[in-house]
Order: sequence, then C-alpha cells, then structure tokens
Amino acid sequence: KQEVTQIPAALSVPEGENLVLNCSFTDSAIYNLQWFRQDPGKGLTSLLLIQSSQREQTSGRLNASLDKSSGRSTLYIAASQPGDSATYLCAVRLDNTDKLIFGTGTRLQVFP
Amino acid sequence: GAVVSQHPSWVICKSGTSVKIECRSLDFQATTMFWYRQFPKQSLMLMATSNEGSKATYEQGVEKDKFLINHASLTLSTLTVTSAHPEDSSFYICSARNGRRQFFGPGTRLTVL
Repeated sequence: KQEVTQIPAALSVPEGENLVLNCSFTDSAIYNLQWFRQDPGKGLTSLLLIQSSQREQTSGRLNASLDKSSGRSTLYIAASQPGDSATYLCAVRLDNTDKLIFGTGTRLQVFP
Repeated sequence: GAVVSQHPSWVICKSGTSVKIECRSLDFQATTMFWYRQFPKQSLMLMATSNEGSKATYEQGVEKDKFLINHASLTLSTLTVTSAHPEDSSFYICSARNGRRQFFGPGTRLTVL
C-alpha cells in the first residue's frame, strides 16, 4: 500500500529564507508526482507536476525534484514571502490508475 | 481554463438530513471526477471515483449507500450525504480530470449539528 509522508509537518520562517519541503513515498511505481498549495478552508492549487521520467520541474521561485528510485521529492521555495504561507501537499499518482495519494502536508508560515 | 466549481461552499444541517454537494467542470468535459474528504489538519482522503454514465467506484471503508454519487453529465457530479451525522462533518473536495491532471474545486464545508 502506497504511503506518502511529508516532513516537516509545520514550518515557521522569516521572509527571505530559502526553504526545502520533503515528501517521501513507499512504492516507487508512480506515474507522476504533484505538489499542491492549499490555503485555509480552500481547495487545492497545483504548483508543479513531475512525470516519473523527469527529475525536476521549475516555476518561478519554486523548484521540485524527484528521485523515484529512493521514493523522494523535494519542493524548494526560494526567497520566501508572507504570501507563501499555506499548507503544501504532495501527491503521487499510481501507475495504471487515476488515483492520487496525498501526503500529510507541511503547514508553512512566513512572517514579515 | 480547467476551472472546477463546487456548490454550496458551506452547509450546516441537522443530524438525520441529507445534503447534496455539486461539482462542476466549467470549461471542460470530465468523464472522471473524484471526491475527497479532509478532516481538520489532515490530508485529503479519496472517497470515490465518479465515472460519467456508470456507477462510482468507492474506496475501501467508504459506505456507498451513505455517500451517493451521481455523474449524470460530462460536467456535473453530485455527492449526497444521506442521513448525515456529526461524524460526517468535514471538508469535501472534488476534482475533475482533464488530460493528465486533476483540477480541484474550492471545497464544501459540511457541519452536521
């Protein structure tokens, strides 16, 4: 059974810091991995999607890497801003299925 | 593009009543939609996969008679929580598949008194 874990569970940093959020999964037979942002009481916004054959994806200040063999992904946030405060979720899509298995999330707070 | 809406955004009901939540894909057709539940400070748990024109596929442990799913058109799926109880209070989020991605709705907060 695929399990997805994220560390840390919570993170509070001053603005300007570069951050690394971690995601690990137990079964490497994934189709892709996606990072989402969720604001309190809101739905999910997709940030980055990495196909299983890819190593990383970048969008603005965000960079996500994938090491499928070791079951790990990291989300790197450069020069963090208070507007980055949210919960960040990673999710893996299993091979031959549409299902997404979500991680436990990292609650990020960036203070001025 | 790829916008998904949910209605209502929040609902409060009495125990024993049924509540219907709608999920719509506004600018694309979705043969497959998904329903998730999220408890406070927890992650999203897939409840069921909704396929247009056929029965939904429920995840293990989810009661299909309690959580009725109807995917009657390519742009609409509904989740009905029947005979709701306080333990059903949660945040329900739907998503719709467009190509390789799922696009998520804004969620519905259900509170059962």
